[in-house]
Amino acid sequence: GDSVTQMEGPVTLSEEAFLTINCTYTATGYPSLFWYVQYPGEGLQLLLKATKADDKGSNKGFEATYRKETTSFHLEKGSVQVSDSAVYFCALSTTNAGKSTFGDGTTLTVKP
Amino acid sequence: DTGVSQNPRHKITKRGQNVTFRCDPISEHNRLYWYRQTLGQGPEFLTYFQNEAQLEKSRLLSDRFSAERPKGSFSTLEIQRTEQGDSAMYLCASSLGGSGNTIYFGEGSWLTVV
Repeated sequence: GDSVTQMEGPVTLSEEAFLTINCTYTATGYPSLFWYVQYPGEGLQLLLKATKADDKGSNKGFEATYRKETTSFHLEKGSVQVSDSAVYFCALSTTNAGKSTFGDGTTLTVKP
Repeated sequence: DTGVSQNPRHKITKRGQNVTFRCDPISEHNRLYWYRQTLGQGPEFLTYFQNEAQLEKSRLLSDRFSAERPKGSFSTLEIQRTEQGDSAMYLCASSLGGSGNTIYFGEGSWLTVV
């Protein structure tokens, strides 16, 4: 079945540091890939997505590229801020399914 | 666009009691999903509806769980004879159409079974 594996956390960075959160997946068919963010006390929000190989999703300074050859969708940001502290979830959705499969989340803490 | 609304936001219940959660999706969205999330884990798919039809149910959804979406609008998730293992956040989400479309999540309903 479909699965998503995320880099284990927690991740603690200083402000303005470079962020990478690794995500790899296993899926039947050709999935769409997503990163969601969950701020403390809030629901999940879509951060970015990519629907086909080599697409790059980007939003709020975050980027991720859909790499079919390595089945990966790593999240990157060049300079993190304290306000980026949250839990980040990688997810996939396949064409014939009505559901998304999520990774276990990576907690990011950014210190001033 | 008022977003996906869930209530109650928090529910504490005694083991063996029944509980019901309600979800109001974004009005034009035809797909509605229920997920369960426990601490330290990502959301796990429970079931989804396209309009009023329940199209898929996870094996996680035991016979004690039932979901409905009458008239293809709001949805309810009922848990009968609750167990302590049912304690989790129950997330509702909605979308317009298929897998590449954005899914919008509600803020979730926390269930604590004591």
